[in-house]
Amino acid sequence: QSALTQPPSASGSPGQSVTISCTGTSSDVGNYDYVSWYQQHPGKAPKLMIYAVSMRPSGVPDRFSGSKSGNTASLTVSGLRTEDEADYYCTSYAGSNNLVFGGGTKLTVL
Amino acid sequence: EEQLVESGGDLVKPGGSLRLSCVASGFTFSNVWMSWVRQAPGKGLEWVGRIKRKSDGGTTDNPSPVKGRFTISRADSQNTLYLQMNNLKIEDTAVYYCATEGYPYGFHAMGVWGRGTKVTVSS
Repeated sequence: QSALTQPPSASGSPGQSVTISCTGTSSDVGNYDYVSWYQQHPGKAPKLMIYAVSMRPSGVPDRFSGSKSGNTASLTVSGLRTEDEADYYCTSYAGSNNLVFGGGTKLTVL
Repeated sequence: EEQLVESGGDLVKPGGSLRLSCVASGFTFSNVWMSWVRQAPGKGLEWVGRIKRKSDGGTTDNPSPVKGRFTISRADSQNTLYLQMNNLKIEDTAVYYCATEGYPYGFHAMGVWGRGTKVTVSS
């Protein structure tokens, strides 16, 4: 199972919005609404930020939003804050009881 | 507070074996699917496998890179998840995380994570 494709890096200034893409295939992202996004700060465990494409866990700011179109899912961070600087990973159910992660995107807040 | 604590990481030679443990607290462990995820140094996250709750059959699933070498099991009476790793390879060097899958949020979302345990495979 191939990894989902994410851009290696993204950046934005405080207060701006940035969108991170996650491209899969019709066998994973395009076929299931089980896309999740995780935030990971250096040396820390990942944290769930979005599940089921666009749902936010309790405690996650509404500045974080998710969407999907075809085989590509997206995470948008609005009103960027310095604490949003981290690595972000998408994951999708890929059928046959498999899960697949994206390669990760390093978000820099300039 | 929901918590997962991994242990068992160590330095092991190629071809060797290691068993990792993950102790859960703060939620009903037996009702939850559990997954293992690893992260090689400087690399991204990789799903290593899962075990379903007994009411869903208690079956396990593993991706190709570890199938046949890694075995996941659980002891619900002890709130403990295990990862038995055999025939270890240098490329298995990583921090290994356990996580809940589908709890407390949707299907296949990993809502609770441990802090990880480090496995180094080197001669």
